[in-house]
Amino acid sequence: GAVVSQHPSWVICKSGTSVKIECRSLDFQATTMFWYRQFPKQSLMLMATSNEGSKATYEQGVEKDKFLINHASLTLSTLTVTSAHPEDSSFYICSARKTGGGADTQYFGPGTRLTVL
Amino acid sequence: KQEVTQIPAALSVPEGENLVLNCSFTDSAIYNLQWFRQDPGKGLTSLLLIQSSQREQTSGRLNASLDKSSGRSTLYIAASQPGDSATYLCAVKSIFGTGTRLQVFP
Repeated sequence: GAVVSQHPSWVICKSGTSVKIECRSLDFQATTMFWYRQFPKQSLMLMATSNEGSKATYEQGVEKDKFLINHASLTLSTLTVTSAHPEDSSFYICSARKTGGGADTQYFGPGTRLTVL
Repeated sequence: KQEVTQIPAALSVPEGENLVLNCSFTDSAIYNLQWFRQDPGKGLTSLLLIQSSQREQTSGRLNASLDKSSGRSTLYIAASQPGDSATYLCAVKSIFGTGTRLQVFP
């Protein structure tokens, strides 16, 4: 089956620093990837849709200058949390969209737990 | 904009019961609907994927149905076990539902 990886799986950083999270589709090409954030005991909230070779589409209320998304290749999207603050501490999950053969499916990464001190 | 709601929000049942979890969505123009489980502090485990052209999918004790016209999907869990305890999420067009937190006690 299709596999999506995320790196790192967890990260702890100091307030004010930037953190980059990678999302890779390992065995298929994904023109579209999605980034989600999940706070404790809440559901996943879509942050943005990442399109290869173009600008990401951000959901309402998500600061595009704070959460930088780059989808430079068909197998890699990155999310950079700039000038992180404790309130950015969360579980970040990416997914990659695989289409073809009459199917349209999202495959999810294992998530990255970010803790900002 | 797509909105996805799950009922009930929480459920606690004794082992062996058959369960029905509900998912409703507002925009019926969907590619597919997915059901996931998530254990505390963990990522997502995909359970079932129903394409828009399908009406149901089965995997072991799990059965999911899809009614696009009414904007509903149900996840049926037969003969529940303590190991089924988790949060169950449905997702439609990249939007996740609010989740159902299930606890099955011995």
